[in-house]
Amino acid sequence: GESVGLHLPTLSVQEGDNSIINCAYSNSASDYFIWYKQESGKGPQFIIDIRSNMDKRQGQRVTVLLNKTVKHLSLQIAATQPGDSAVYFCAESGSGGYNKLIFGAGTRLAVHP
Amino acid sequence: GAVVSQHPSWVICKSGTSVKIECRSLDFQATTMFWYRQFPKQSLMLMATSNEGSKATYEQGVEKDKFLINHASLTLSTLTVTSAHPEDSSFYICSARAPSGGYPSGFFGPGTRLTVL
Repeated sequence: GESVGLHLPTLSVQEGDNSIINCAYSNSASDYFIWYKQESGKGPQFIIDIRSNMDKRQGQRVTVLLNKTVKHLSLQIAATQPGDSAVYFCAESGSGGYNKLIFGAGTRLAVHP
Repeated sequence: GAVVSQHPSWVICKSGTSVKIECRSLDFQATTMFWYRQFPKQSLMLMATSNEGSKATYEQGVEKDKFLINHASLTLSTLTVTSAHPEDSSFYICSARAPSGGYPSGFFGPGTRLTVL
């Protein structure tokens, strides 16, 4: 079934610490996953993606881990900065991303100095 | 990078009126555009998928006669909220996808805040 948005959980971290944001996806047939960052009043901003034939992918300061066995996705942000404060959403899709995206519930990341 | 714009960025209207929101891909041709709705502190919910030159495909529970979608060109899709009511107040976001290459998931616009009084 489709993920439905609920009230957002909040992850609070100190500036400079590493952050780990988790996401449980719903469809075992999904083969493409994306993490988005959304700042208040703005559209989602692409962070990093991963295909189902991989279990880890790294970008600049970010790493995405995929565990297909338990349908779990995580986003790791290294050396978290105040500018990282936002809501983070995972999204899943089938057929390599050319199908529609289904968004997860989202997590608010609050970075404290 | 690819740019998607939306117009207007915010709109306030009276109950019963109709509002049109535009989504444009500025530097690429988008064969497919998606429309999402986002209520405060909630996730994005897909409303419909729009392919250029054909009728939009609506998600279950979305009224196609209330949310009219037109995708008349490869760079423009419009969402018209007809006979808007306060419960239609939301943040409407589009995304546009090129036929091949780049990000298969597409690029998102900045969103349009609709407030119905």
